[in-house]
Amino acid sequence: QLQESGPGLVKPSETLSLICIVSGVSTSSSGYYWGWIRQPPGKGLEWIGSIYYSGTTYYNPSLKSRVTISADTSKNQFSLQLSSVTAADAALYYCARQPPRRCSGGSCYPFDYWGQGTLVTVSS
Amino acid sequence: EIVLTQSPATLSLSPGERATLSCRASQRVSSDLVWYQQKPGQAPRLLIYDTYNRAPGIPARFSGSGSGTDFTLTISSLEPEDFAVYYCQQRSNWPSLTFGGGTKVEIK
Repeated sequence: QLQESGPGLVKPSETLSLICIVSGVSTSSSGYYWGWIRQPPGKGLEWIGSIYYSGTTYYNPSLKSRVTISADTSKNQFSLQLSSVTAADAALYYCARQPPRRCSGGSCYPFDYWGQGTLVTVSS
Repeated sequence: EIVLTQSPATLSLSPGERATLSCRASQRVSSDLVWYQQKPGQAPRLLIYDTYNRAPGIPARFSGSGSGTDFTLTISSLEPEDFAVYYCQQRSNWPSLTFGGGTKVEIK
């Protein structure tokens, strides 16, 4: 299971901080990625970034300058920070698991388990 | 960035009918093409990965196909619970990962 946690309201120009609490599997499980995805109300999905079990991070180029994803393996959770938020960052934020699967080209990493999502509003 | 274009935006069908959803990439992608289903108020659910592999628990009426720039999700006979929004996703040029804009399958 994955469960997002964090403030539902963030002021413009401030930093959005969310945590994903993971249960049932260790965030340090070999080969796993752990990702953040967001969805503005009534719109489609946007990948924010992912963290590999080793701690290596990968970010959407369009958000890279403002995003930090980190993991705390002792608490079995990973987190998202998005700085300098604007109204365009208002969305439902999901965390999701990306375990390695055997695929045609080697390993692939679909998002197979998702949290329920947490709605973040940006307003002063 | 690889752009995924899904068509049609909305598909109006009746239960029992066949649904064919398209996902076209702006450039050739690998077989690492994924499909998700999302119902209102719920997180997306993994349906298909690696173009054609069904995720555990996904009924056989869901199938994926395609290669290069053109991929298809087919639902052979729509059940009432299949009316939802469907998204494709690619990870060909990792560390970039993109989703399509979605296709809504609605009851006619």
